[in-house]
Amino acid sequence: GAVVSQHPSWVICKSGTSVKIECRSLDFQATTMFWYRQFPKQSLMLMATSNEGSKATYEQGVEKDKFLINHASLTLSTLTVTSAHPEDSSFYICSVEPPGHLSDNEQFFGPGTRLTVL
Amino acid sequence: DAKTTQPPSMDCAEGRAANLPCNHSTISGNEYVYWYRQIHSQGPQYIIHGLKNNETNEMASLIITEDRKSSTLILPHATLRDTAVYYCIVRHQHQGGKLIFGQGTELSVKP
Repeated sequence: GAVVSQHPSWVICKSGTSVKIECRSLDFQATTMFWYRQFPKQSLMLMATSNEGSKATYEQGVEKDKFLINHASLTLSTLTVTSAHPEDSSFYICSVEPPGHLSDNEQFFGPGTRLTVL
Repeated sequence: DAKTTQPPSMDCAEGRAANLPCNHSTISGNEYVYWYRQIHSQGPQYIIHGLKNNETNEMASLIITEDRKSSTLILPHATLRDTAVYYCIVRHQHQGGKLIFGQGTELSVKP
């Protein structure tokens, strides 16, 4: 399957600081990437759809000013958690879908980034 | 979006077939059934998907009932490495690529 990388794999930060997480599609160009969040013992929750060259589309209840998404190129999307607080501690995962007919494509997921806010 | 219902957990003996059920009684005609799995602290991994016909690949088989209201993922010879949470997801043809995850089934393969 296609390779999707995330950096960093884990990060610890102080409360009030901002943290940037990168998601890279290594095998193909992607106009669309997705960001998920997963708390312990829970399922993945879709946060937003990252669109290359345009604004991200956020799911209901996700604060766009807190979770800044930048899809500056066809292979890179970044998620910045601004003014992070302990409740933002979570596992953040991105996914990429190859171009083509949307309903018949699999998505490839990154390995995830573990964020711990002290 | 159509919702899915899966048992929260299942056990399977190593080497035996693992049959994971999923109910999606409100699925519409242009929605696909996808299966992903997530091994602890990793990103989800695609397994298989289908619309109405049964599908098979190197990882698993997907059996979809004729009325499409339920499906079963079959791992023919489960190994310890198949221990994971398995997610059954339905996705609309024009949903814009979104995958909405339910709670999944935690499969434990035991020696």
